[in-house]
Amino acid sequence: LAKTTQPISMDSYEGQEVNITCSHNNIATNDYITWYQQFPSQGPRFIIQGYKTKVTNEVASLFIPADRKSSTLSLPRVSLSDTAVYYCLLLNTGFQKLVFGTGTRLLVSP
Amino acid sequence: NAGVTQTPKFQVLKTGQSMTLQCAQDMNHNSMYWYRQDPGMGLRLIYYSASEGTTDKGEVPNGYNVSRLNKREFSLRLESAAPSQTSVYFCASSEGQGVGYEQYFGPGTRLTVT
Repeated sequence: LAKTTQPISMDSYEGQEVNITCSHNNIATNDYITWYQQFPSQGPRFIIQGYKTKVTNEVASLFIPADRKSSTLSLPRVSLSDTAVYYCLLLNTGFQKLVFGTGTRLLVSP
Repeated sequence: NAGVTQTPKFQVLKTGQSMTLQCAQDMNHNSMYWYRQDPGMGLRLIYYSASEGTTDKGEVPNGYNVSRLNKREFSLRLESAAPSQTSVYFCASSEGQGVGYEQYFGPGTRLTVT
């Protein structure tokens, strides 16, 4: 399975935009980039998924360059409640064994 | 809808004891999964059930057994608990498998084996 690399932790302040990058140099042609969020003492929650260019939903945006070797999760105007661990995963068609790395621990301060 | 529910929320076992973790979903999903999460780590897949009547091993199946009781319920059994099984266990479900089928997770069971 292709591996992803993320920063271990990031700090931000309320109201700022946060961009979390994910490196996936060996991404396969049929891999989709998927992000999950995990709050303390809770199970992960799906945030967003994309294949190329840009995807946006009510929670976040996902930017994927043409070579797809990296991606950026963008959280607009974060609040304290966005403090969580964010996981970048690669999924393809067929059976999904979600492979979680250690994720990026985002701390949002007042 | 309750989504994915897990019981119990907390459990302490002595080494060698057995127990069953219960999971149920009310979303009519076909696929269900069991993961474990050790402190500071990501989740690792223990077993999964692609559809009712089927189960398969994941990344770390040793020491565990599962039963897909019906479409709603998927249980995880520890036959002889060991301290290395101290972890938080998450159950998840999805409508299908593959891209576009997000997994929905339960609140977790925190298990300590002494």
